[in-house]
Formats: sequence, C-alpha cells, structure tokens
Amino acid sequence: SQQGEEDPQALSIQEGENATMNCSYKTSINNLQWYRQNSGRGLVHLILIRSNEREKHSGRLRVTLDTSKKSSSLLITASRAADTASYFCATDEGAQKLVFGQGTRLTINP
Amino acid sequence: GAVVSQHPSWVICKSGTSVKIECRSLDFQATTMFWYRQFPKQSLMLMATSNEGSKATYEQGVEKDKFLINHASLTLSTLTVTSAHPEDSSFYICSAKRPDRATYEQYFGPGTRLTVT
Repeated sequence: SQQGEEDPQALSIQEGENATMNCSYKTSINNLQWYRQNSGRGLVHLILIRSNEREKHSGRLRVTLDTSKKSSSLLITASRAADTASYFCATDEGAQKLVFGQGTRLTINP
Repeated sequence: GAVVSQHPSWVICKSGTSVKIECRSLDFQATTMFWYRQFPKQSLMLMATSNEGSKATYEQGVEKDKFLINHASLTLSTLTVTSAHPEDSSFYICSAKRPDRATYEQYFGPGTRLTVT
C-alpha cells in the first residue's frame, strides 16, 4: 500500500534557494522519516521525527510534522547542486513495515 | 554503522531465465530483511518481508512463486526472480533490521538494477 502522497512531484530551483517538499499520510503513525535517493542509488536516511515532535532540525534540513493534518514537510535551506535527488517520506504502518510516499524529484540548477 | 550490501549491482538477463539477487548485512545480524521494487521515477514498493529461518511474507499482488525469497542465515537473504520477463525489469532494493530494533529502523542496500531483454 502506498500511504504517503508527496508534493510537488518535481521541483526545480536555483542554487542557494530553499526547497520545500510536503508529505501527507493516511493512518496514525509512531514516526515519519525522510530519505534521499540519488539517481540509480540506494536510500540515504536523512531524519526521523516522532509523532510527539512538531519540528526537528539537522544541519540545513528542517522537518515539521502536523499529526492533526497527517502531513509533514521537509525544508532544505541554501540548496546546493549536490542536493539534486529524489526525496521520500516513509511512515511506519502498524509497526510492521515502512510505507513510502511517491517522492519529490528535486533539481538544483547552478 | 550498519552496512547492507547487494550483489550484483546490476544484471541483464534474457526473458525466461532466472536471476538471483543477494542481500547481506555486513556488520550485524539481521533477523528480518525486506525486499522492495522501484520502477523508474516511482516510489519503493514493499514486495516481501523475509525472516530468518521461516517463510517470507509477501505483500498483496506479489507472486510468491515468481519472486522466491530465502533468508537462510542471519546475514543473507536472496531474491530469485524466476522466469523473468521484460516487465520484471526494475530496481530491487533490500533492507535489513537488527533483531533488537523496531521495524522502522531499516538499513538499505544500494540496490540492484535488473534488465530483462
């Protein structure tokens, strides 16, 4: 099952600008994670936010979680060309498996 | 850290043949491994959950006789795509979790690109 819906599906911005991508989910969660995937590569874990947290920071990343709206956002500040990748949110469904969102393809233009 | 490897990283096979993909946890024991499939420009879809010493649990719509999973040891799970067809061409990613950790704490392999001609 595909729980997460992400928008936008694709985002193209200039280097130095901030990038925001959103994720919505359908069921109750214990936590939500964000991953990055470079083209043709595996997943890199970026950050985890628990259901009792509203905001979390890690370097240039800022994640928010609104459990009342069942949504999360990932903000990448001061984007770099190396940030070009696909970004996925993932929720734990019933503590049995991870369910990934559709993903946002981010392109940073130099 | 926790490292998961996959072999091969890419494979090309002819239609009708079988292909085996290995997933190894290099520095920890993994009682549970997961197999995902990812089509181009799409998300990861869980195919099956593999538990060491027992039969894999397949997600709805995944043919267990076509995608054979064997989790023979605490560090190795294999996915065999039997009688492969061009529509099986995809990116296959495995993940593993430590026995004392929650399901959401998965360590992902680098993926295997399968192309069926």
